[in-house]
Parts: sequence; C-alpha cells; structure tokens
Amino acid sequence: SYVLTQPPSVSVAPGKTARITCGGNNIGSKSVHWYQQKPGQAPVLVIYYDSDRPSGIPERFSGSNSGNTATLTISRVEAGDEADYYCQVWDSSSEGVFGGGTKLTVL
Amino acid sequence: EVQLVESGGGLVQPGRSLRLSCTASGFTFGDYAMSWVRQAPGKGLEWVGFIRSKAYGGTTEYAASVKGRFTISRDDSKSIAYLQMNSLKTEDTAVYYCTRQRVVGDAFDIWGQGTMVTVSS
Repeated sequence: SYVLTQPPSVSVAPGKTARITCGGNNIGSKSVHWYQQKPGQAPVLVIYYDSDRPSGIPERFSGSNSGNTATLTISRVEAGDEADYYCQVWDSSSEGVFGGGTKLTVL
Repeated sequence: EVQLVESGGGLVQPGRSLRLSCTASGFTFGDYAMSWVRQAPGKGLEWVGFIRSKAYGGTTEYAASVKGRFTISRDDSKSIAYLQMNSLKTEDTAVYYCTRQRVVGDAFDIWGQGTMVTVSS
C-alpha cells in the first residue's frame, strides 16, 4: 500500500514560516489534502487538492505538491497554529492513506 | 449547520461486536460518501473505510486491518451511516470519527467529534 512520510516534529518561532513536508512515491501525481488537529479535538481540513483553502482558513496556510514531496506552508506562524498536521491521499485502490503526522511547536 | 454526530462507543470485550452510528444534519446526506477514520490513543489518524453514495453504487472499501471484520452501511432516509465492528481486537481501541466526502479523491471536509471505543477484558 501507499506510504506517506512526515517528519515527527517541526519547530518555528512566532512570525516565521513553517514548512511541513509529506513524502511519497511520485506524490506529485496525486491530490494531497492536509488536516490540522489540536489536542482533544477532531481534525480540521486546512488544504485540499494540493493548494486550495476551505472557507475560514487563513491565507497564511498554503500548499504545494511536486515530484516526491508535498508541502504545507504556514506563514507568519501564530501560537494558535500549534497542532498536529496530517497529509492524506487516496491510493489507486480507492483506499485513504494518512501520513504519520507532524507536531508543530511554536517556540 | 452542517454536522456529524457519532454515537455507540463504549467498552467491549475482545471478540465481541459493537455498532457505531453517525447522524448527519445540515446537508443532503445522500449526495455524499461517508468515511470512518480512527485514532488510537496517542497515535495518528488511520482510515478505516467508506461507503459511496447511491449515485456511485453505494459500494464500500476497507482498510486491510479491518477487512472482513468491519462493515459500513447507510440509511439515506435517516441520514445515518453505520460502522458494524465484529471480532473486535484490543488494537481496535481508538476514537472513531465519521467524515464525509463527495467522491473518492475528495478531502474529508466535515468531521464528527468522535466516539471512543475501548476493547478490553
């Protein structure tokens, strides 16, 4: 089955830019979705189809996808962005696949 | 307001069965595929399976870890999706979320609050 690889943790200072990667074999040929999950809460969709933002998600959140890596970029990071972030794709067998998750720490 | 509410979780012994429900409101339930995603304590998200909308055949897909034990069904007249879990194992212990998507390939744009299932003797 398809495997997505994320770094376990990323740290960033407030006001700086955080980049969270999601690696997969030729992931650029797939559509990648990103979710934010804060402690004790359900996940929230923050980026869909590589780079689209749902309504209500700040423009500071953006995404890209090419080659073997998809990236979630959070600009001007705020304390409230501290959370776990998961990438997700659908594999060729119509099965959902999540990355292992990345814990974003705001220093 | 678009909403998904899970129910039916609880403590169950290994080998027993449990059925979870996901009640939808605020949107045309029949137009959407419904997925179940779980999260073991302290772990990441794991897709469990989904059921397509009737327009796409109402068929189901499952993760290898639950195939043959779990069954997803839907009642569009009641706007409810079900997850029937049989032959439960301790490793099935998790918070179970229901989510929706239009079709395979789409993102999970709405999530329920989750229901905890604990499998233990």
